[in-house]
Amino acid sequence: EAQVTQNPRYLITVTGKKLTVTCSQNMNHEYMSWYRQDPGLGLRQIYYSMNVEVTDKGDVPEGYKVSRKEKRNFPLILESPSPNQTSLYFCASSWRTGGGTEAFFGQGTRLTVV
Amino acid sequence: GQNIDQPTEMTATEGAIVQINCTYQTSGFNGLFWYQQHAGEAPTFLSYNVLDGLEEKGRFSSFLSRSKGYSYLLLKELQMKDSASYLCAVRDMGNTGFQKLVFGTGTRLLVSP
Repeated sequence: EAQVTQNPRYLITVTGKKLTVTCSQNMNHEYMSWYRQDPGLGLRQIYYSMNVEVTDKGDVPEGYKVSRKEKRNFPLILESPSPNQTSLYFCASSWRTGGGTEAFFGQGTRLTVV
Repeated sequence: GQNIDQPTEMTATEGAIVQINCTYQTSGFNGLFWYQQHAGEAPTFLSYNVLDGLEEKGRFSSFLSRSKGYSYLLLKELQMKDSASYLCAVRDMGNTGFQKLVFGTGTRLLVSP
């Protein structure tokens, strides 16, 4: 089954404790991205990757890191989480960014930083 | 920059028709998507428009007017399960030439019996 898998689904952590949210897709998609979703603000892009070893900042990259060592995986790293990073996070992938190729989203990770 | 506007919330009755509007301003438009998102779940793809006109897919249709920067999603024969948020997203070329999706804040649709 074609899917984007995120882990964990729920996470409560303390300020400053490094964490990683994993994202894996089995569709051989080139393009992957991370979004955060907050009430009244919609989905905002954090980072994206056009292919292996090619990543760039989205609209809200501060406090986050990513890596793309393999095509299927695109982890999101919070080196020192803060309460303002409490949010619902989504990973998404697609074949490319042109044409009618829609993005497939993971199930989401609800992160709470206390 | 980009700006996408859609109503925050709409209500409708089961069996009715509802139209959700989306207006956008973007420098490098290259397509518009509609996604459905149930509370706490992932967005799922509904439709894509890149040329002016209407795209129909079962009970759902989407319309685009590029000259007006306007789209709508039309839902017919509403069912209770259609209660969800509907996200308008514009593909924008951006300053680097890289095409990315920019999302509106979503319209929460409540369908009542």
